[in-house]
Amino acid sequence: SYELTQPPSVSVSPGQTASVTCSGDKLGDKYASWYQQKPGQSPVLVIYEDTKRPSGIPERFSGSNSGNTATLTISGTQAMDEADYYCQAWDSSTALWVFGAGTKVTVL
Amino acid sequence: QLQLQESGPGLVKPSETLSLTCTVSGGSISSSSHYWGWIRQPPGKGLEWIGSTYYSGTTYYNASLKSRVTISADTSKNKFSLKLSSVTAADTAVYYCARAYDSKGNFFDTWGQGTLVTVSS
Repeated sequence: SYELTQPPSVSVSPGQTASVTCSGDKLGDKYASWYQQKPGQSPVLVIYEDTKRPSGIPERFSGSNSGNTATLTISGTQAMDEADYYCQAWDSSTALWVFGAGTKVTVL
Repeated sequence: QLQLQESGPGLVKPSETLSLTCTVSGGSISSSSHYWGWIRQPPGKGLEWIGSTYYSGTTYYNASLKSRVTISADTSKNKFSLKLSSVTAADTAVYYCARAYDSKGNFFDTWGQGTLVTVSS
């Protein structure tokens, strides 16, 4: 089965750039999505189709996907960005959805 | 504005069947552009996709749960449901229903608030 691997945690200082990676076999040939989840809340889509931001998501959130790695980048990180972030892909060979294990972003 | 709301028992006994319903408002589950799915999250852990259904009635299940899962849709009531049989404590989780776009990546753009289901005698 297809798997996505994320680092358990990422720390960033306020105003700096946070990068969260998501690795999977030939992930660049698929499309990656990213979700933000704050404690006690439902996940929120922040990036879809590798690079696109839904309406209402700040421009400081961006994404890329190439080779085996997709990356979520948060520029000018704010305290409100502290959350768990999950990557997700759709494996077309099996028609199944896959989530990464999640990365806790801490704003120090 | 699309809204999804999960409902069902918050407590299920081991070996019994967990049944949840997702009521959709502000949109139709008969839409040809969307999948309707279930995702769960055990306490303190990550998201796990359970399965999804398409407007055509085609269903897709996580291989690790496939033998115990059934997802069905009632288009007349604009609802879709999850049944998970032979539950154990490992099935204790917050269960979310969500809509996915039938597009590149099939991303989940709208989620319900989630409902906690505890498996315990």
